[in-house]
Amino acid sequence: DVKVTQSSRYLVKRTGEKVFLECVQDMDHENMFWYRQDPGLGLRLIYFSYDVKMKEKGDIPEGYSVSREKKERFSLILESASTNQTSMYLCASTPSYNEQFFGPGTRLTVL
Amino acid sequence: SQQGEEDPQALSIQEGENATMNCSYKTSINNLQWYRQNSGRGLVHLILIRSNEREKHSGRLRVTLDTSKKSSSLLITASRAADTASYFCATDPIYNQGGKLIFGQGTELSVKP
Repeated sequence: DVKVTQSSRYLVKRTGEKVFLECVQDMDHENMFWYRQDPGLGLRLIYFSYDVKMKEKGDIPEGYSVSREKKERFSLILESASTNQTSMYLCASTPSYNEQFFGPGTRLTVL
Repeated sequence: SQQGEEDPQALSIQEGENATMNCSYKTSINNLQWYRQNSGRGLVHLILIRSNEREKHSGRLRVTLDTSKKSSSLLITASRAADTASYFCATDPIYNQGGKLIFGQGTELSVKP
């Protein structure tokens, strides 16, 4: 079974802190994604990566950056966290043009 | 931008009844997928239907696709309390890059015992 893990289920940070969210998949998938999920807005794509060291902006990249140094790991970075980044963050991976496999999510609260 | 639009936004039924959720989208697609999300968890893939398919079954799930109307429906038959979750459609547009999907806002299904 494909497994996608995220570093934390719940995270509380203060405004202005640098925040790292880690995602690891164990199935050698090329493509990885970061979404945020907010009530009434569904899933919105922040960034995605289709290969090591490759990244593409999604629909809402402002305030975020990403890193993919190894194929299995895709990190989301909030350079200076703000309260409007309080959200559920979901990571996903896919081998190609098929189903996406999601991690359990990280609920981030920025105070 | 979100392409898929689910309808209804919320649905409440009794155990044993059928649940139907609809999804509309705007651009041509390679495939359409349905996902389920239990409260506070990640999404789980349910079923994928390709643009050249009209209907697909998986257990108690039946998905239809009408590319001329740019719409899809998910039918859950003989629902159970354990089916209570949010259901999302996601489209794979033909211009796609990197396996990116566009998700709708979801339908919240509540199945009462």
